[in-house]
Amino acid sequence: GAVVSQHPSWVICKSGTSVKIECRSLDFQATTMFWYRQFPKQSLMLMATSNEGSKATYEQGVEKDKFLINHASLTLSTLTVTSAHPEDSSFYICSAGQGAGNQPQHFGDGTRLSIL
Amino acid sequence: TQLLEQSPQFLSIQEGENLTVYCNSSSVFSSLQWYRQEPGEGPVLLVTVVTGGEVKKLKRLTFQFGDARKDSSLHITAAQPGDTGLYLCAGEEGGSEKLVFGKGTKLTVNP
Repeated sequence: GAVVSQHPSWVICKSGTSVKIECRSLDFQATTMFWYRQFPKQSLMLMATSNEGSKATYEQGVEKDKFLINHASLTLSTLTVTSAHPEDSSFYICSAGQGAGNQPQHFGDGTRLSIL
Repeated sequence: TQLLEQSPQFLSIQEGENLTVYCNSSSVFSSLQWYRQEPGEGPVLLVTVVTGGEVKKLKRLTFQFGDARKDSSLHITAAQPGDTGLYLCAGEEGGSEKLVFGKGTKLTVNP
């Protein structure tokens, strides 16, 4: 089945550091990838839609200059949290779609980001 | 943005009991998916329902999509401790691939 690999799985860093998270579709091409954020005991909230070869589409309230998304190829999207602060600590999850037409999204295992 | 109301938020039952989780919306979704998520991991797809009135079964789990494609339910028969986890419903906004997630149901099945 379709596999999405997310790396790293856990990051601890100091306030002010920029952190890059990678999301790879291992056995299929994904023209669209999605980035979610999940706070403890809460559900997944969509942050942005990453489109290969074009700019990401951000959800309302998500700062595009804070959360930089690059989708350089059909198998890789990256999320960079710039100048991270403790309030950015969360569980970040990516998913990859295989196109519309009721095809399910495949989720990565998430990245636990802790900012000290 | 479409919203999905999921209930109950928490459910603690004894092994062997039955349970139902509900997802409701005032909006129509092109499809609705149910996921199960373990702590520290990404959601794992259980089922996708597409057609209004559709019923799908996965062993002891029964999923139903409302006739109007605005609501869905997950019914578990004879729950087991291995069913413990966070269950999430997610609706796909028409034509966009974007998923709207419910708040989740934290299920605990006690032996």
